[in-house]
This record gives sequence, C-alpha cells and structure tokens, in this order.
Amino acid sequence: KQEVTQIPAALSVPEGENLVLNCSFTDSAIYNLQWFRQDPGKGLTSLLLIQSSQREQTSGRLNASLDKSSGRSTLYIAASQPGDSATYLCAVEWRSQGNLIFGKGTKLSVKP
Amino acid sequence: GAVVSQHPSRVICKSGTSVKIECRSLDFQATTMFWYRQFPKQSLMLMATSNEGSKATYEQGVEKDKFLINHASLTLSTLTVTSAHPEDSSFYICSARGESSYNSPLHFGNGTRLTVT
Repeated sequence: KQEVTQIPAALSVPEGENLVLNCSFTDSAIYNLQWFRQDPGKGLTSLLLIQSSQREQTSGRLNASLDKSSGRSTLYIAASQPGDSATYLCAVEWRSQGNLIFGKGTKLSVKP
Repeated sequence: GAVVSQHPSRVICKSGTSVKIECRSLDFQATTMFWYRQFPKQSLMLMATSNEGSKATYEQGVEKDKFLINHASLTLSTLTVTSAHPEDSSFYICSARGESSYNSPLHFGNGTRLTVT
C-alpha cells in the first residue's frame, strides 16, 4: 500500500531557528513529491515540487531534498519566522497524471 | 501562475439538503481535476478524479450517487453532496494541474468548509 508519513506531527521552535521536517513514503517508484503549506481553514499553497530524477529543490529559505532509495524527503526551513507557522504537508504522486497521496502534516509553530 | 478558484468557501446546510461546490481553473484548461476531503486532524483523502467530458472515477468507499461530479467544461468541475448528513461535514478541496506534464505541480483551490446541521 502506498503511504506517506510525516514526523513530527507538531513542532514548536523559537524565531530564527533552522529546522527540518521529515517525510517518508513507501514504494520508491514515485513520479514526484510535493511540499505544501496549509494555513488554518485555508487551501494549500504549493511550496516545492521535486521530480523523481531530482535530488533537491530550493526556493528562498526553503530547501527540499529527495532520497528515493530510502523513501525519504526533508523540508529545510532556514531562519524561521512567525509567519512560517502553518501545517506543512508532504504529498507523493506515484503515477503520471495521478492523484497525490498526502501525509497528515507537521504543524509548525514559530514563536517570536 | 495557475489559479484554482473554489466556491463557496463556507456553507452550512440542513440535513437532507444538497450542496453544490464549484471548482474553476481561472487561467488554464484542466482536463482532469481532483476532489479531496479532509476531516479534522486527518490528511487529505482523494474522493474522486473528475474527467472533462466523461464519468468521474471514484475512490473505494466513496458513494458516487451521493457525491455527484460534473466536469462539463475544461475550466469547471462541480461536486454536489446530495442528501447531506452531519457526517458529511468536512473540508472539501479541489485541485488541477496547470500543464499536462506530471512534472508540473498540482494547484489547489482554497477549499469549502461544509457544515451539515
């Protein structure tokens, strides 16, 4: 069964700290992996998409890595800010034009 | 960038009534749209795949007669929750891909919070 797991479920850090969110998935034959941000009661904002042939993607203070062989991805957030507080979702697409399988997310709280 | 608009953002209805949720791709054509549901503290779960001009594909355990999907044009898909019950209260969200390539990200609407009283 194709599953996505995110650890930890919640994380609280002081402002300015660098942090890493973890995502693991079963079945390494993925097409791509996508990281999203979800604010309370809101939709999803796409942060980064890593294709199966890529090892990492960067956007601003965010860096996502992908290790297909071990079934893992990490989202690195540098110099965290209170505005980064949200739930971060990892999602995997296992077949072309298919749906995304989501993890349950990591709820991040960055305290001023 | 690609924008997906979902309406309404919130709806409260009485048990037994039907509710229609619209999902529009504003600046691109989407032959395929996906409908997800999210219960509190749970991950998003795919309900169905909406295909323009053909029948939707439903995931196991999702009643196709209860959750009617119509994808009549390349920019609009609708989800109708028929004879809604309190257990249908959830966050419904649609998504579409901006380009045909699997390498392009899926874009999501802002979701619809449905409360059935």
